[in-house]
Amino acid sequence: AQSVSQHNHHVILSEAASLELGCNYSYGGTVNLFWYVQYPGQHLQLLLKYFSGDPLVKGIKGFEAEFIKSKFSFNLRKPSVQWSDTAEYFCAVTYTGFQKLVFGTGTRLLVSP
Amino acid sequence: EAQVTQNPRYLITVTGKKLTVTCSQNMNHEYMSWYRQDPGLGLRQIYYSMNVEVTDKGDVPEGYKVSRKEKRNFPLILESPSPNQTSLYFCASSAHTGTDGYTFGSGTRLTVV
Repeated sequence: AQSVSQHNHHVILSEAASLELGCNYSYGGTVNLFWYVQYPGQHLQLLLKYFSGDPLVKGIKGFEAEFIKSKFSFNLRKPSVQWSDTAEYFCAVTYTGFQKLVFGTGTRLLVSP
Repeated sequence: EAQVTQNPRYLITVTGKKLTVTCSQNMNHEYMSWYRQDPGLGLRQIYYSMNVEVTDKGDVPEGYKVSRKEKRNFPLILESPSPNQTSLYFCASSAHTGTDGYTFGSGTRLTVV
């Protein structure tokens, strides 16, 4: 079955710390990968996406992610987090030939000032 | 402004009282979908639609109905709501889910008592 695993359910960091959130997807052929962010009380917004080309993708607000095909991973990174990055982060995938966007269970990030 | 509009934002209802959550998009997107978000479970797809008059079940369709009579609208219907349908609901649309991901509405927080 198509699935996405996010290893960290809760992450607490101090401002300026570096961030890496893990995401692994189940094998299912060619994939398109996404990271969404949900700020408290708001809807999901697209941070970045990968569908082909350079496996290192850059998104908004200084976030980036690296697609490692051999590890079925798409980890999200940011060199220096800010208090305003406090949010829930969702990894998601679509498999070629399927329309459904499959989500991980999310990671709640709390950044303390 | 390109957007997905859901109404209402908040709804409290009683068990068994039929309700409809509306969803409208102004981007001429073919694909639309409903998700529910529950703590620890991430987002799970309820129903999706690939075009007008074409709908299909997602992962958790029990207790829900949808219709797609017009391209822009995709209402979610709960014929007889139950407390286990208390959740945060998101409507989403996309031109091409494989490469664009979804644009999400602001969400509807439903409480069934």
